[in-house]
Amino acid sequence: DGGITQSPKYLFRKEGQNVTLSCEQNLNHDAMYWYRQDPGQGLRLIYYSQIVNDFQKGDIAEGYSVSREKKESFPLTVTSAQKNPTAFYLCASSMLAGTGELFFGEGSRLTVL
Amino acid sequence: GDSVTQMEGPVTLSEEAFLTINCTYTATGYPSLFWYVQYPGEGLQLLLKATKADDKGSNKGFEATYRKETTSFHLEKGSVQVSDSAVYFCALWTGGYNKLIFGAGTRLAVHP
Repeated sequence: DGGITQSPKYLFRKEGQNVTLSCEQNLNHDAMYWYRQDPGQGLRLIYYSQIVNDFQKGDIAEGYSVSREKKESFPLTVTSAQKNPTAFYLCASSMLAGTGELFFGEGSRLTVL
Repeated sequence: GDSVTQMEGPVTLSEEAFLTINCTYTATGYPSLFWYVQYPGEGLQLLLKATKADDKGSNKGFEATYRKETTSFHLEKGSVQVSDSAVYFCALWTGGYNKLIFGAGTRLAVHP
């Protein structure tokens, strides 16, 4: 079955450590996105990529980094520079950039201890 | 800037009750409008969409009409079920900026 796979589902990190969240899709979608979800605040865009080897900052990119070396993969690194990293992170993809119809993974919950 | 405002939750209903979740938006140009649903512990799924004024999106018994004059896209369902319990997000797509702008979400709890 086609879909988006995020891993790990739950992750605990000590302050000062970088962590990388994996996102893989087998939908052959061109565009991929990372959103952060906090209670009562909806979803906020961290980074997005429309094609391989190209990505743009979203609204809250500070303290995060991404890469897009393969069409199927869009990993997100939460660096120690991110002041409040505890959140639910959602990866999404779409067939064509600019339609608003996104397919989401099941999310990764990061907790900083 | 562009934004989406949803009614605050939680919304608590009995099974078979009528549901309305209000959503209004602010946008330049002519955005596309969406409702996404998030079931417990899962990612979001597209529920329905409308791409121009007076369009009605519908799916799984849910409906929403794109009202340009009132800048609204309220979600309705005539008879809710326990399985509809979830968080519902209204969103708009402005096209030029390549991002989906979400409301804060409205939690719906349906009890038997």
